[in-house]
Amino acid sequence: NAGVTQTPKFQVLKTGQSMTLQCAQDMNHNSMYWYRQDPGMGLRLIYYSASEGTTDKGEVPNGYNVSRLNKREFSLRLESAAPSQTSVYFCASDHYTFGSGTRLTVV
Amino acid sequence: GQQLNQSPQSMFIQEGEDVSMNCTSSSIFNTWLWYKQDPGEGPVLLIALYKAGELTSNGRLTAQFGITRKDSFLNISASIPSDVGIYFCAGNRGSNYKLTFGKGTLLTVNP
Repeated sequence: NAGVTQTPKFQVLKTGQSMTLQCAQDMNHNSMYWYRQDPGMGLRLIYYSASEGTTDKGEVPNGYNVSRLNKREFSLRLESAAPSQTSVYFCASDHYTFGSGTRLTVV
Repeated sequence: GQQLNQSPQSMFIQEGEDVSMNCTSSSIFNTWLWYKQDPGEGPVLLIALYKAGELTSNGRLTAQFGITRKDSFLNISASIPSDVGIYFCAGNRGSNYKLTFGKGTLLTVNP
């Protein structure tokens, strides 16, 4: 009964490195979302997937790619990390359930 | 993108007091959602509103979908220390998939 699981919980990257943030949900929801949260800001939508096999850009997609691997899993990839991508990243399932976040620092 | 203006930015209240916060926009929204976020955690959905004028309660929380569809309000009655956290409003317009979030209201409750 985990809901939405995000891994890793913390990550430090050097500028230019790549990494993939993983997200999995066990609620059989069709839609999944990736947000970033910066200090003093609300959440901003990076990408979303309305259903398995589809992905669409949100408000701040530049520098990111996503993959909806199957109905359960939706990953977010940073191909060449930049300090501006230092943030807390949240995955959500169907708007109603959020993961506990990945805290990413790019140095 | 669309802007949601959430106010106040922060509140310091005494335990037992009532709290009100709101979100406004220059655009019409079809759905309003209210979330609470505790430190180090993701947001948790408190109340969802789907119709103009709708008033919905969840325990001590009451939220309303403004009649103009451009605003929403959240009230917390008889606050307790565990109400501490950041409260976010969010709304969507035409698409069911794109939410716009306010910047949050930080609530502190003094016991």
